[in-house]
Amino acid sequence: DIQLTQSPSFLSASVGDRVTITCRASQDISSSLAWFQQKPGKAPKLLIYAASTLQGGVPSRFSGSGSGTEFTLTINSLPPEDFATYYCQQLKSYPITFGGGTKVEIK
Amino acid sequence: EVQLVESGGGLVQPGGSLRLSCAASGFTFSDHYMDWVRQAPGKGLEWVGRSRNKVNSYTTEYAASVKGRFIISRDESRNSLHLQMNSLKTEDTAVYYCGRLSGNNVDYWGQGTLVTVSS
Repeated sequence: DIQLTQSPSFLSASVGDRVTITCRASQDISSSLAWFQQKPGKAPKLLIYAASTLQGGVPSRFSGSGSGTEFTLTINSLPPEDFATYYCQQLKSYPITFGGGTKVEIK
Repeated sequence: EVQLVESGGGLVQPGGSLRLSCAASGFTFSDHYMDWVRQAPGKGLEWVGRSRNKVNSYTTEYAASVKGRFIISRDESRNSLHLQMNSLKTEDTAVYYCGRLSGNNVDYWGQGTLVTVSS
């Protein structure tokens, strides 16, 4: 199985900060990576797919980069509504796997 | 408008069975792959399994943790996805979400249904 390791697990940030989350895969997954945002009690929301493609309707302050085994999600100028938990997901091979999550909290 | 509505969750004893449903509307159900994903209380997301589309004969894939116990099926006439869960364990306690895939990614999710396995 492909393991995904997210770092950090917790991130304390202020409104307006630039935030970067890393996702490392245990083997080469090319660009088969997605990023999701999840708020408490809600379903996940797709932000980025194919490592760097912004899902329709997602604000441009979100961006993704990387390929192979190392990926990043960046949020520019963090607004209050983006305090949430973020997950990466690999779609290269079965079983599909998620990273452990990164909780972005208000400093 | 795409809508996915899960139902069927509840309290079940260890070793018991439960059948979840996901009612789909607003899109051509047979054209899309569908996933089940779960989230244990306070924990992260875990992929449970997948139903491919009609062109791919609705074949399925499962996570190792549920393979042999859970079965994903579809009722094309009712645009419904099902998750039959047998031999339930306490570690199956979670909110279960169904999701529609567009291309290779889940672009729509249901609201989730809670399954609690406890004696």
